[in-house]
Amino acid sequence: GAGVSQSPSNKVTEKGKDVELRCDPISGHTALYWYRQSLGQGLEFLIYFQGNSAPDKSGLPSDRFSAERTGGSVSTLTIQRTQQEDSAVYLCASSPGVAGRDTQYFGPGTRLTVL
Amino acid sequence: GESVGLHLPTLSVQEGDNSIINCAYSNSASDYFIWYKQESGKGPQFIIDIRSNMDKRQGQRVTVLLNKTVKHLSLQIAATQPGDSAVYFCAENRTGRRALTFGSGTRLQVQP
Repeated sequence: GAGVSQSPSNKVTEKGKDVELRCDPISGHTALYWYRQSLGQGLEFLIYFQGNSAPDKSGLPSDRFSAERTGGSVSTLTIQRTQQEDSAVYLCASSPGVAGRDTQYFGPGTRLTVL
Repeated sequence: GESVGLHLPTLSVQEGDNSIINCAYSNSASDYFIWYKQESGKGPQFIIDIRSNMDKRQGQRVTVLLNKTVKHLSLQIAATQPGDSAVYFCAENRTGRRALTFGSGTRLQVQP
């Protein structure tokens, strides 16, 4: 079956521009996560969605970052006024059940480069 | 503060040998652990998980060992193959927490 997909795979933007990153989770998965991975580093949690509950935004690094999940499926991560330190791979994951207690399946990521 | 850390940043093994990748965690409340494999340019891929009520779990060519006394986790790969070359991350979670906490990763290099 289809896994988690993300688009675009690569995004190059200029400092100060806004970007939108998209995630399509595995069908039927109720939990969706966004992580950020800097070069050679582990994964940094950004935001989490579970069903119709309010998202857990505790990992967002600044108010320039926001995310939404429409219809309990597709999610968009938006970064406004991008900075060079935003350059990283942005990974999306989904899981089928209770948050943090079920295996998270990752997409291939979007590599963001801010010039 | 809490952390999930790895002892070695790079591990080099000969093809056919067994590999052992180690991970330490600091939070005694952690009760769910996962190993992920990440190949270059790809997202992390689930390998195996273990809950804190177990101390060993086996999969295909992989075994995860959990020692809660010393807060240590290891991933053993039997008969390592070139296709096993990747970065391996351990991650932990605990009841009530939503996101996984990842270690910084160990790069496994398999020499032919």
